[in-house]
Amino acid sequence: KNEVEQSPQNLTAQEGEFITINCSYSVGISALHWLQQHPGGGIVSLFMLSSGKKKHGRLIATINIQEKHSSLHITASHPRDSAVYICAAHKGAQKLVFGQGTRLTINP
Amino acid sequence: EAGVAQSPRYKIIEKRQSVAFWCNPISGHATLYWYQQILGQGPKLLIQFQNNGVVDDSQLPKDRFSAERLKGVDSTLKIQPAKLEDSAVYLCASSLDHGGTDTQYFGPGTRLTVL
Repeated sequence: KNEVEQSPQNLTAQEGEFITINCSYSVGISALHWLQQHPGGGIVSLFMLSSGKKKHGRLIATINIQEKHSSLHITASHPRDSAVYICAAHKGAQKLVFGQGTRLTINP
Repeated sequence: EAGVAQSPRYKIIEKRQSVAFWCNPISGHATLYWYQQILGQGPKLLIQFQNNGVVDDSQLPKDRFSAERLKGVDSTLKIQPAKLEDSAVYLCASSLDHGGTDTQYFGPGTRLTVL
């Protein structure tokens, strides 16, 4: 079992739908990242959070430390949101442990 | 501010050949990471440098992979000899310091295909 698990692995939705991607981790962490990876492109950091909730535009990330769970939400989804979303946990002081990613496709 | 630069972007080689990748981190970033991302999986850390010293290379297959960051700035990752299972995207990332939870900035990656 991976230390960081994401669900679903693949998600297809229609433009405008509310999207939720989940991340569960089994290790003690100091922070959790949500990253976005477009096909053929590099990885962009969306959020880093260690408690509560963060919002940036249409993206919202939440984390529940007690339940070892984080979610990434996208409101009013758009085809340009289509990408792979990766959850990564800071394990200990330095090491980043990645989930396997969630491939999101938003159809017009 | 310039981002993390990597070259080449794509490389195709035959098994048993050698290959090298180059990474130039964001100016002033002390920590540099090399990751391997196999298709359909999340990145896996191969090696982490703090300036020119190795912090973590526990998942680097040292019989065939090597990496250096001699002057604490740019870095090279080498595979010699390559195997089919080395086909992956090799990502370089950098962060300001290794003070725990610094944001990592990723380069565009090098896509390696081993035939």
